[in-house]
Amino acid sequence: EVQLVESGGDLIQPGGSLRLSCAASDFTVNNNYISWVRQAPRKGLEWVSIIYSNGRTYYADSVKGRFTISRDSSKNMVSLQMNSLRADDTAVYYCAGGETVAGISNYWGQGTLVAVSS
Amino acid sequence: DIQMTQSPSSLSASVGDRVTITCRASLDITNSLAWYQHKPGKAPKLLLYGASRLESGVSSRFSGSGSGTDYILTISSLQPEDFASYYCQQYYSTEFTFGPGTKVDIK
Repeated sequence: EVQLVESGGDLIQPGGSLRLSCAASDFTVNNNYISWVRQAPRKGLEWVSIIYSNGRTYYADSVKGRFTISRDSSKNMVSLQMNSLRADDTAVYYCAGGETVAGISNYWGQGTLVAVSS
Repeated sequence: DIQMTQSPSSLSASVGDRVTITCRASLDITNSLAWYQHKPGKAPKLLLYGASRLESGVSSRFSGSGSGTDYILTISSLQPEDFASYYCQQYYSTEFTFGPGTKVDIK
């Protein structure tokens, strides 16, 4: 059974940095697509970033230049480095995996909460 | 960037009702559309992709249709476990935008 488990969420001050991790089991991150999707309080889902099987990465305009997605094949894990955090980055961050077409997420983690506040 | 809209933003319905949710893209996304169900505190769940293809394991009471810029999610007979929020998402372009969501609650 595919499992994606996020970790790293925390309370952080504006301007700070945080690194989220997504550990995959029964799902090889190297061969598939991994996205990060977030949901701010009382808001809808917002796509954040994706890493392709070929290593290409894409970002939402709202995080471009501040967030970096990467993967560690040896650990079968994907990370999201978040810098220059702002209050509007406060959200539950989900890791989502897709096998066939970039952007379709068949598998989702339970999410990790990032709260940006002074 | 492709903008996605959904209507209605919320609806109240009863068990057994037929429910339709509409999603519109700001340009032709050639059926590159997925629908997700999301319940509070849970992981989102893929329902359909390619506008009308049912994800494995998803009930056949969910169906999708549409083309070009306009798409519809239909729940043929609403069940208690279907009360949730529903999101469309385009994957035609690499900023994989979601619609704002439709909340389905109990009448």
